[in-house]
Amino acid sequence: AQSVTQLGSHVSVSEGALVLLRCNYSSSVPPYLFWYVQYPNQGLQLLLKYTSAATLVKGINGFEAEFKKSETSFHLTKPSAHMSDAAEYFCAVSVGNAGNMLTFGGGTRLMVKP
Amino acid sequence: ETGVTQSPTHLIKTRGQQVTLRCSSQSGHNTVSWYQQALGQGPQFIFQYYREEENGRGNFPPRFSGLQFPNYSSELNVNALELDDSALYLCASSLAGVVNEQFFGPGTRLTVL
Repeated sequence: AQSVTQLGSHVSVSEGALVLLRCNYSSSVPPYLFWYVQYPNQGLQLLLKYTSAATLVKGINGFEAEFKKSETSFHLTKPSAHMSDAAEYFCAVSVGNAGNMLTFGGGTRLMVKP
Repeated sequence: ETGVTQSPTHLIKTRGQQVTLRCSSQSGHNTVSWYQQALGQGPQFIFQYYREEENGRGNFPPRFSGLQFPNYSSELNVNALELDDSALYLCASSLAGVVNEQFFGPGTRLTVL
């Protein structure tokens, strides 16, 4: 079975500062990895996904993530935070023998200070 | 192109009642997945339907059941509601395939009193 751990349920950064949201996964087979963002009272929106091509994945809104197999990590970064980035972020894993059913981490709430 | 829609947006039920939640898939999508998101937690996979048949199920009891219709819309039914069923229920549609993006609806907020 696969699982996802997001370190830090709350992360606070200043506007313009680096954003780093941590995600570690556990999977017995090669995983597919996703980052989703959830704004208040809305569903989830895909930021980016890793599907075994390039290990550095670029997504929307300036976010990117790097797949590191040796560390079983898929951390999300953005060089410069904007106020509009304040939201809940979820890392998720899917494996090839389970269709595209997603297993989510517990989420990280990103707060951006002016 | 219409996105994923869900109805109702909010619902209040009492313990022991039954509830039906509805989801309309994005145009062209043949797979629907349902997730339960308790307050302050990540979504948990309930089940998935592909071409009107259940295609996988998470760790949820049989009182959680579903349907998918020929137009790929879907229903989630929950019988004998419990207080812990209070959550945001998210529907996601996609094309079949492990790497295909799931498009999420805005969810139905269920409160069980």
